[in-house]
Amino acid sequence: ELKVEQNPLFLSMQEGKNYTIYCNYSTTSDRLYWYRQDPGKSLESLFVLLSNGAVKQEGRLMASLDTKARLSTLHITAAVHDLSATYFCAVDRGGADGLTFGKGTHLIIQP
Amino acid sequence: DVKVTQSSRYLVKRTGEKVFLECVQDMDHENMFWYRQDPGLGLRLIYFSYDVKMKEKGDIPEGYSVSREKKERFSLILESASTNQTSMYLCASSTLVISPLHFGNGTRLTVT
Repeated sequence: ELKVEQNPLFLSMQEGKNYTIYCNYSTTSDRLYWYRQDPGKSLESLFVLLSNGAVKQEGRLMASLDTKARLSTLHITAAVHDLSATYFCAVDRGGADGLTFGKGTHLIIQP
Repeated sequence: DVKVTQSSRYLVKRTGEKVFLECVQDMDHENMFWYRQDPGLGLRLIYFSYDVKMKEKGDIPEGYSVSREKKERFSLILESASTNQTSMYLCASSTLVISPLHFGNGTRLTVT
């Protein structure tokens, strides 16, 4: 059974700081996704990582994938308040079977 | 843009009622999914479908069933609602195997 673990589950940080969210998963997969969820809203796709060594960047967020270590990271650079949200990683279950999600990282960025 | 529409934003039902949650997508996607989201547990997959009239169990199918009579519509059915089914329900769709899931806005179901 595929298990996906995120850490930390809760993070409070100050604006301007850097931090990394980690996503570990238990079985082989070449596809990993990051989503953002704002309070009361649905999930929005941020990044799709499709191979070992994949790196994607959008603004102050950068995601990477190491399939050998079964690890993905979401790095936040010089955080701003607007990035406060819950971030989920999700790993492909294989075929068209959908995704298994981590429990989410609730990120609060304080001015 | 892909639009995934869930028919109700909020629902309140009584224990034992039969409950239908409806989801429609407008982008001709083959794959559709139902997840439930609970605090501290993240999203858990209930059922999914990769074609009309096809359905597959996810990780927590007990107490639920689904129907997919048309490609664009995927319904989640709670045969006899129970209080432990109080949750946020999210529908999603996708096309290619590698494409991300597109989520609806969710239905917050309360069972009393």
